[in-house]
Amino acid sequence: EVQLLESGGDLVQPGGSLRLSCAASGFTFSRSSMAWVRQAPGRGLEWVSTIRADGVTTHYADSVKGRFTISRDNSKNTLYLQMDSLGGEDTAEYYCAKAQGVIDPFDYWGQGTLVTVSS
Amino acid sequence: QSALTQPASVSGSPGQSITISCTGTSSDIGGYNFVSWYQQHPGKAPKLMIYDVSNRPSGVSNRFSGSKSGYTASLTISGLQAEDEADYYCSSYASGSTVIFGGGTKLTVL
Repeated sequence: EVQLLESGGDLVQPGGSLRLSCAASGFTFSRSSMAWVRQAPGRGLEWVSTIRADGVTTHYADSVKGRFTISRDNSKNTLYLQMDSLGGEDTAEYYCAKAQGVIDPFDYWGQGTLVTVSS
Repeated sequence: QSALTQPASVSGSPGQSITISCTGTSSDIGGYNFVSWYQQHPGKAPKLMIYDVSNRPSGVSNRFSGSKSGYTASLTISGLQAEDEADYYCSSYASGSTVIFGGGTKLTVL
């Protein structure tokens, strides 16, 4: 059974940083592209970033480019999202997702971790 | 990267069919056959229902079908059931190796 378990969500001040983690199991993590998708309270889904299986090729939404960094440790079956220069617009539930293809679609999702940016 | 355009809400009675539209541009829906649809119940994670315009993942009911014409993709749900009441999101691969979602459609089963 595929399982994705996010952690690291917290209350952080504007301008601060946070690192999210996603522990994966039940599939060959090292062969799968992985992604982060977020959802602001009461709003729709927004793709944030995808990292390919090789851990080298990454893709970002314009809204986070230069502030967020996606990475992975295939030896630990873990996906990360380093978030810097956080602003109120980054407040959201952050979902870890497994990509069925190179970049999408997302066939398995975690339950999410909440990031709140507020002073 | 503007969101794909979906109606805010649709409704239907049990047993009826409904269709949700999703409109994009030549840089996303119109340029690629990589449209997906997700179902999200309140407080739950999204679930993939359709990928590559019209393919259903294993385990998804054949009451769900997808299509595309030009810049508009559509999700049709036939034989509506109470459990289908949820939010539905379309998404598309877009130029520049990005992914764009629609704003979401709330389906109400009357």
